[in-house]
Amino acid sequence: QKEVEQDPGPLSVPEGAIVSLNCTYSNSAFQYFMWYRQYSRKGPELLMYTYSSGNKEDGRFTAQVDKSSKYISLFIRDSQPSDSATYLCAMTFNTDKLIFGTGTRLQVFP
Amino acid sequence: GAGVSQSPSNKVTEKGKDVELRCDPISGHTALYWYRQSLGQGLEFLIYFQGNSAPDKSGLPSDRFSAERTGGSVSTLTIQRTQQEDSAVYLCASSPGTLNTEAFFGQGTRLTVV
Repeated sequence: QKEVEQDPGPLSVPEGAIVSLNCTYSNSAFQYFMWYRQYSRKGPELLMYTYSSGNKEDGRFTAQVDKSSKYISLFIRDSQPSDSATYLCAMTFNTDKLIFGTGTRLQVFP
Repeated sequence: GAGVSQSPSNKVTEKGKDVELRCDPISGHTALYWYRQSLGQGLEFLIYFQGNSAPDKSGLPSDRFSAERTGGSVSTLTIQRTQQEDSAVYLCASSPGTLNTEAFFGQGTRLTVV
C-alpha cells in the first residue's frame, strides 16, 4: 500500500463547477499537508499548505484536513478553464522529505 | 536567478551511457530534493539533502543512481549505465529548510534513453 493514495482521474467538469480533489494517507505522523498544481510540461507549484487538522481558504481554493480519517481535500469554487492541470497532494512530518500522491488530472471545459 | 534552475531541459542518451543532471537551487535554501516523474505518474522521491546532514538516499532505485551537493548549493544527479526504464522527467526542488512546506520546483530535465 502506498503511503499516499490519490485518484488519478481524469476529472472533467464544466466551467463554474465546484471541484473536490482528495487524498488518503496511511501514516498518522504526517503533520503538514500541501497541494501542488502542475501544468503540462512544467514543474509543480505550491497552491497552499495546512498544518494538522482544519480548513484553510485562499481565494477560490479551500484545503481541508481530517487527521482522524487520514483524509485531505482541496475544493475549487467557480472553476475556470485555466484551472485545468494536474493537482498533487503532498505531506511531510516536518523537516523531512515530501511524500506525494500520484496526482489527479483536472479538465475544466468552457 | 529567482527560481530553481535545471539543466539540460532535455536529454536523449543511448542505453548504457552515463548522464549528469544539474540543479541550481534558490540561493539560501538549505533543503534540496530530487524526484522522478514517469509518464502519467506522481512524483517518486529519490534523494533529499538538508544542510550539512547526511543525505536521505532511501529513494534511489539502484546503485546506478547517485547524487551530490557541492558547497551546500548546486546538486548533480548521476545515472550510470542508463536503461530504458530510466526515461522520465527528473525534477529538482529546494526549500528554506526550516519547514519543508514550501518547496519550489524547477522545470525538470526530460531524460529519454534510446
